[in-house]
Amino acid sequence: QKEVEQNSGPLSVPEGAIASLNCTYSDRGSQSFFWYRQYSGKSPELIMFIYSNGDKEDGRFTAQLNKASQYVSLLIRDSQPSDSATYLCAVTRRTNAGKSTFGDGTTLTVKP
Amino acid sequence: SAVISQKPSRDICQRGTSLTIQCQVDSQVTMMFWYRQQPGQSLTLIATANQGSEATYESGFVIDKFPISRPNLTFSTLTVSNMSPEDSSIYLCSVAVGSGNEQFFGPGTRLTVL
Repeated sequence: QKEVEQNSGPLSVPEGAIASLNCTYSDRGSQSFFWYRQYSGKSPELIMFIYSNGDKEDGRFTAQLNKASQYVSLLIRDSQPSDSATYLCAVTRRTNAGKSTFGDGTTLTVKP
Repeated sequence: SAVISQKPSRDICQRGTSLTIQCQVDSQVTMMFWYRQQPGQSLTLIATANQGSEATYESGFVIDKFPISRPNLTFSTLTVSNMSPEDSSIYLCSVAVGSGNEQFFGPGTRLTVL
């Protein structure tokens, strides 16, 4: 079992819809959870992070964390074609000196 | 956040040679990492670059192949030694900052080995 698993996708949604990206992790000692967006040919950029159970909203993005279920998700409301990218989930342990474990990513395509 | 630059942005190298990649950060950071990302794949951590001590390598990566220097808190280099075509990849440096150790990535170095 991979430490961080994401739906491989690709995920395709129409413009204006809600895109839902999911991530599960195996290490119960995980403390911090991150979502990165990576456009083709570019490096990953941080878009959201969450530490506590529940929801965290930032503009059109909402991160959801459920530590009991070892599940973290990213919702993108009013999806735009510019949201088309690969989304990487990353998880950090408290004792791991800042190292993150990354999932394989989910490729999202938003169709006009 | 942090602003990170890498040099070179890309290079084409011959088998058996070595390439040194530089990573410069605009502020002092404790944690710096080197990753490899092959086309269509996710990130693979090579090592953690520690200031004032040897780098900490992940399983499958060794110092002789990927020597790392970290002379101060704003700079690091990764050398890819005795290159083979299998080393063709994008190499990324990142730093962890903030209370949650959020990572910020450099633009990457695209390496092609012929």
